[in-house]
Amino acid sequence: QKEVEQNSGPLSVPEGAIASLNCTYSDRGSQSFFWYRQYSGKSPELIMFIYSNGDKEDGRFTAQLNKASQYVSLLIRDSQPSDSATYLCAVRGGGAQKLVFGQGTRLTINP
Amino acid sequence: DAGITQSPRHKVTETGTPVTLRCHQTENHRYMYWYRQDPGHGLRLIHYSYGVKDTDKGEVSDGYSVSRSKTEDFLLTLESATSSQTSVYFCAISGLAGASGGELFFGEGSRLTVL
Repeated sequence: QKEVEQNSGPLSVPEGAIASLNCTYSDRGSQSFFWYRQYSGKSPELIMFIYSNGDKEDGRFTAQLNKASQYVSLLIRDSQPSDSATYLCAVRGGGAQKLVFGQGTRLTINP
Repeated sequence: DAGITQSPRHKVTETGTPVTLRCHQTENHRYMYWYRQDPGHGLRLIHYSYGVKDTDKGEVSDGYSVSRSKTEDFLLTLESATSSQTSVYFCAISGLAGASGGELFFGEGSRLTVL
């Protein structure tokens, strides 16, 4: 079992709809969770991080964390064509200084 | 933007030759990382450093070595390049330790092709 797994994708969503990206992780000691966005040919850029159970909102983005289910998700409301990218979930274990990434989910927003 | 510079940005080399990729930061961050990115595998950690001369292996360290003689520079060396090491290599830095925050900031990437 991979340490961090994401929707296999690709995911296609109409403009204006909600895009939902999911990620599960295997290490129960994991403490910090990150979502990165990566445009084709570019480097990953941080969207947001979360470390407490529940929801964290930042503009059109909401991260949701459920440690009991070892599940973290990213919701993108009012999806725009500019949101079309690969989304990477990353997890930091307790006491560790390295992030483990999922394989990424490619998201396409259709006008 | 975080001050991270990778060089070279593109390199084509032949099997069996040594290759060194350089990562330079101007943020004075303690932690530096080398990842590789391949289709279907996401980002995989090669090596990381938690201080000058302090390094540790990641999940795909075979065939790679690193050195960090100064806070600002982290070098990745492919001792004898193979075609399986054709990839995009990303350097990342982090200034925070512990459970909260600790996000990584990435360089622009170095595309390596081994023929």
